[in-house]
Amino acid sequence: NAGVTQTPKFQVLKTGQSMTLQCAQDMNHEYMSWYRQDPGMGLRLIHYSVGAGITDQGEVPNGYNVSRSTTEDFPLRLLSAAPSQTSVYFCASSYSIGPGQPQHFGDGTRLSIL
Amino acid sequence: GIQVEQSPPDLILQEGANSTLRCNFSDSVNNLQWFHQNPWGQLINLFYIPSGTKQNGRLSATTVATERYSLLYISSSQTTDSGVYFCAVGGSAGGTSYGKLTFGQGTILTVHP
Repeated sequence: NAGVTQTPKFQVLKTGQSMTLQCAQDMNHEYMSWYRQDPGMGLRLIHYSVGAGITDQGEVPNGYNVSRSTTEDFPLRLLSAAPSQTSVYFCASSYSIGPGQPQHFGDGTRLSIL
Repeated sequence: GIQVEQSPPDLILQEGANSTLRCNFSDSVNNLQWFHQNPWGQLINLFYIPSGTKQNGRLSATTVATERYSLLYISSSQTTDSGVYFCAVGGSAGGTSYGKLTFGQGTILTVHP
């Protein structure tokens, strides 16, 4: 049981490039989300999804795009990378959004924008 | 939006000592979780505890929802307890807000041998 798998683990981009961070879970979880963590700070929610075909914005959605075509996968797209998007990105999932559902996190993707 | 404050920001202990970490939040919540981020950056879910008390080995947590705070207790600390402890809350607006966690800034715990 792999849990939440994020790829790549590290990535360096140039300003203006685009890329997709991958997130996959094998726990049949309905709820998935993306967070970013900046130095000395807690995590901030970027986008989330309550099921296939349903996505919504979190606290810091600008510059990011998501889609949820399957239950297992929730990719995060950077449309035109900016240095302010240098961060560690975490994907999380839980069985549902209801009470009693702990969230499980992937190991993160460390992204540097030059 | 909801505000989450954690204290203390830093904590240094000798192995074997006990500690209490606190999380205050500004609105009623239906989702409160404690996480440990280890030195390798991995986030481990410790407790889902929107109210009441839970224990797991040397760790326990108590949330007093009516007074809007939660406490994480670590007893007989070990060097492997080092890392950052985050409190995260959600669910104040009902519906999909359950899963939209707002994180505190964390408590950095260092346990020396």
